[in-house]
Amino acid sequence: DAGVIQSPRHEVTEMGQEVTLRCKLISGHNSLFWYRQTMMRGLELLIYFNNNVPIDDSGMPEDRFSAKMPNASFSTLKIQPSEPRDSAVYFCASTPGQGYTGELFFGEGSRLTVL
Amino acid sequence: TQLLEQSPQFLSIQEGENLTVYCNSSSVFSSLQWYRQEPGEGPVLLVTVVTGGEVKKLKRLTFQFGDARKDSSLHITAAQPGDTGLYLCAGPHSGYSTLTFGKGTMLLVSP
Repeated sequence: DAGVIQSPRHEVTEMGQEVTLRCKLISGHNSLFWYRQTMMRGLELLIYFNNNVPIDDSGMPEDRFSAKMPNASFSTLKIQPSEPRDSAVYFCASTPGQGYTGELFFGEGSRLTVL
Repeated sequence: TQLLEQSPQFLSIQEGENLTVYCNSSSVFSSLQWYRQEPGEGPVLLVTVVTGGEVKKLKRLTFQFGDARKDSSLHITAAQPGDTGLYLCAGPHSGYSTLTFGKGTMLLVSP
């Protein structure tokens, strides 16, 4: 079975550019989480969707960040405009139930570098 | 805010040594999880502990949940290079819908 699939794996961009990160959930999973990982702050939850609906976006740092889930299997995280402090590894994770239900299944992450 | 503090932040040992890493909080958790993250990959669940005082073993790894359900430890016996990675503890956020993670312990096991 395919796991959570993220793209791109690596992205290098310049400050001010728009960045779009993509995530495909495991088939049958209906909760989706976006996390950001840095050395300083560890893994931080950005936003959580259940059945395509954003439930908790309190971790989204500011208006430059937006996330969508246009269908049950796909999500995007967009940063516009990007800044150097956005450099991090962005993970999405999914679970089969409503919210965290025993195990988060993570993708391999998208490493973003903003110059 | 429920915080999980992990120690040590970094541990470098030789193959065959034993080690223990810790996860502590001032809050009570209904359960705690341990994940391992290898370089370039996402975290993968190792174990979930639910009952205060619970001990779970996974081959050479022993996990313990504190009696008060505020802390947990991971003990590795006879560490191997394949144990190298970032060990993260995580607990349900107060709303029980999301997971809060500690910053992790980076373990390096040299041959």
